[in-house]
Amino acid sequence: TQLLEQSPQFLSIQEGENLTVYCNSSSVFSSLQWYRQEPGEGPVLLVTVVTGGEVKKLKRLTFQFGDARKDSSLHITAAQPGDTGLYLCAGINAGGTSYGKLTFGQGTILTVHP
Amino acid sequence: SAVISQKPSRDICQRGTSLTIQCQVDSQVTMMFWYRQQPGQSLTLIATANQGSEATYESGFVIDKFPISRPNLTFSTLTVSNMSPEDSSIYLCSVETPGRFFGPGTRLTVL
Repeated sequence: TQLLEQSPQFLSIQEGENLTVYCNSSSVFSSLQWYRQEPGEGPVLLVTVVTGGEVKKLKRLTFQFGDARKDSSLHITAAQPGDTGLYLCAGINAGGTSYGKLTFGQGTILTVHP
Repeated sequence: SAVISQKPSRDICQRGTSLTIQCQVDSQVTMMFWYRQQPGQSLTLIATANQGSEATYESGFVIDKFPISRPNLTFSTLTVSNMSPEDSSIYLCSVETPGRFFGPGTRLTVL
């Protein structure tokens, strides 16, 4: 069973601060996705990283996939109250009987105070 | 992309009863998934429902408890049978189109 350890579980910061969320595993994933979810809605895909060492930027959000494709990070610069939500990482299984399935991390609840 | 709707959006049910959750997609998709999520927590895959074949259930989930129908490429239902308070959760359907999209979820409370 492939597991994704996501940290921190909770993050409460002031507007304008920077933050980083981590997603780590002992298993290799073919790719990794980051989602953001707001109360009463389903998760919305932010990005998919595929190549080891890949870095993708989405405005103030920077996503990185580890060289060995076992870990990833999400960095938010100058956080805003609109960034508040549940952030989930999800690894796409690389092989075996679970090929193509999503394995979700535990989630990080981010609260950005004005 | 895909737009997914779920019915009902929320419900409060009595122990021992069953609830059927509907998932409608605005385009034809082969792969559809059902997840369970506690508020603010991770998603757990219940089953994969592909049109024209029996649903594939994950460890810990059985067809008698969570029967699934997939009559066509735009629709699926998940039934939560003989409910207990432990079934209280958010149930989400998801599709791969490609790109993964999720419905808004059905928040179920079992008393």
